[in-house]
Amino acid sequence: GAVVSQHPSWVICKSGTSVKIECRSLDFQATTMFWYRQFPKQSLMLMATSNEGSKATYEQGVEKDKFLINHASLTLSTLTVTSAHPEDSSFYICSARRSGGQETQYFGPGTRLLVL
Amino acid sequence: AQRVTQPEKLLSVFKGAPVELKCNYSYSGSPELFWYVQYSRQRLQLLLRHISRESIKGFTADLNKGETSFHLKKPFAQEEDSAMYYCALQSGGSYIPTFGRGTSLIVHP
Repeated sequence: GAVVSQHPSWVICKSGTSVKIECRSLDFQATTMFWYRQFPKQSLMLMATSNEGSKATYEQGVEKDKFLINHASLTLSTLTVTSAHPEDSSFYICSARRSGGQETQYFGPGTRLLVL
Repeated sequence: AQRVTQPEKLLSVFKGAPVELKCNYSYSGSPELFWYVQYSRQRLQLLLRHISRESIKGFTADLNKGETSFHLKKPFAQEEDSAMYYCALQSGGSYIPTFGRGTSLIVHP
């Protein structure tokens, strides 16, 4: 199978601190990884597309300086929420597309962020 | 612009009843359509895609280009089908899906 992990699974932090979330493809190489945000009872909102070795492409309305994305290797992408505020509290989900042209994405289990 | 509409937030049925989760899309080209499912406390996973034309866990979905729909159907719902279901569209050549808002399916015993 194709497994994507996220770490941590949940995090509570104080307002003003930065939080890093890792997304790893465990048994395949992922040229492209995606970061989503999901609000309660709502759909997934794509935040950015992350390509290995290049800058991430952010969706309209997503602050790139607020949500830093690094895709340093074919198996790891990180999302850093800088100077987090309570409104950043959400469920963050990553997904990875297997290198080689597969159309489908494999999703991580998500990270619950609560900013106090 | 592409859009996916799932008109029902919640669908509640009894075990053994037929189920149809609606999905309509708007896209000017040839879309690729998917259904994803998220069971309670589990990650989002692909259920089926239109190009495969297969039945997964008893679910089928047919792409109707005339009606721009991709409804998900199952003749006899089971309790374990209770989950969130998301319809998604990918435009040709893109690997980035656009998701609908999701429909919560609850199957009562």
